[in-house]
Amino acid sequence: QVQLVQSGAEVKKPGASVKLSCKASGYTFTKYFLHWVRQAPGQRLEWLGWIHVGNDNTQYSQNFQGRVTITRDTSASTAYMELSSLSSEDTAVYYCATKTGGSDFDIWGKGTVVTVSS
Amino acid sequence: QAVVTQEPSLTVSPGGTVTLTCGSSTGAVTSGHYPYWFQQQPGQAPRTLIYDTSDKHSWTPARFSGSLLGGKAALTLSGAQPEDEADYYCLIYYSGARVFGGGTKLTVL
Repeated sequence: QVQLVQSGAEVKKPGASVKLSCKASGYTFTKYFLHWVRQAPGQRLEWLGWIHVGNDNTQYSQNFQGRVTITRDTSASTAYMELSSLSSEDTAVYYCATKTGGSDFDIWGKGTVVTVSS
Repeated sequence: QAVVTQEPSLTVSPGGTVTLTCGSSTGAVTSGHYPYWFQQQPGQAPRTLIYDTSDKHSWTPARFSGSLLGGKAALTLSGAQPEDEADYYCLIYYSGARVFGGGTKLTVL
């Protein structure tokens, strides 16, 4: 079964960092890009960046440049997204998504809730 | 960074037709922007309806279609069903980066 399984909810204090994981199964992990997207409560979707799992190239949204880092561990079929210098505005559901066939966003994880609160 | 604009809300009657649009602050949206359309139901992850302007997934209902219209990407729903009530987001490609639109809340009423 093709799926992306994301790590559990996180609660962080302002100024801290958070590192989320996204474990892939059911397809060739190294073949495609993997994207990270977030959605604050009641707000729009926001694209954070992508990693090409095969060659480790990355590209990030200008809005998060310098604060976001996407990595992968091919041996574990897992991608990671680390966001630093957290503020309350980073409270959101974070999704990973990837291509398995036609589009870059064929399948999505169920999302990880990140709450930033003092 | 570019800004992608969508209608904040639209209403369509059951069985009716509605077109959602997606514009770019950088100029006309073209096929080279590989526009995507996503549907998001409350509390769920988005799902791709349309990619690369007009391509559909196997799960995309036939009543949805994508196109370019007047310098924008467009999503047309023909024969709206109650289950089509949802938020719809477009996504535009800019030299590798992606930018989402603000979303359109579609009401079927």
